[in-house]
Amino acid sequence: AQSVTQPDIHITVSEGASLELRCNYSYGATPYLFWYVQSPGQGLQLLLKYFSGDTLVQGIKGFEAEFKRSQSSFNLRKPSVHWSDAAEYFCAVGLPMYSGGGADGLTFGKGTHLIIQP
Amino acid sequence: NAGVTQTPKFRILKIGQSMTLQCTQDMNHNYMYWYRQDPGMGLKLIYYSVGAGITDKGEVPNGYNVSRSTTEDFPLRLELAAPSQTSVYFCASSKQQGAGGELFFGEGSRLTVL
Repeated sequence: AQSVTQPDIHITVSEGASLELRCNYSYGATPYLFWYVQSPGQGLQLLLKYFSGDTLVQGIKGFEAEFKRSQSSFNLRKPSVHWSDAAEYFCAVGLPMYSGGGADGLTFGKGTHLIIQP
Repeated sequence: NAGVTQTPKFRILKIGQSMTLQCTQDMNHNYMYWYRQDPGMGLKLIYYSVGAGITDKGEVPNGYNVSRSTTEDFPLRLELAAPSQTSVYFCASSKQQGAGGELFFGEGSRLTVL
């Protein structure tokens, strides 16, 4: 069965410091990969996604992520965090149709709560 | 642009009561989803729909029902509410099949069952 692991439940980073949030997946094939952000009291917003091609993808709000097939990872990075980045971050994966994926959406990790210190 | 709209935002139910969470989207998306979010557990799929008149169970469907009479609306019905259904519920929609398209989420409905 497919699974998504976000090893860090909480991460605290000082404002202006760099950030890396980890995501590992277990799938039979290379899935589509996503990072979503959830601000307090809000729904989830897509930060970026990887389908194929260049393994370094750029997203909104200055975020980027790198797909590493050998490590089954899709880590999210930002060079310099801002206080407004404090939120919950979710990694999600899904199988493309050509790999047997269905219409039942994505599998989400349990999330990483990002705290920004002034 | 309204996107995905959920109502109510907050609700308190007594054990055994029933209620319907409303979800509507104005993006003409065929695919719609209901998730529940529990602390530290991520999002779990309850039900999904690939178009009007078609629904299917997700990972945690017990205690819930859905219908999809129109493309726009995808209500979630809770029958005989139980404390285990205390959660935040998110409705989402997608233009393409789940893994191939971005999910657009509503702002959530926080339900407490006492």
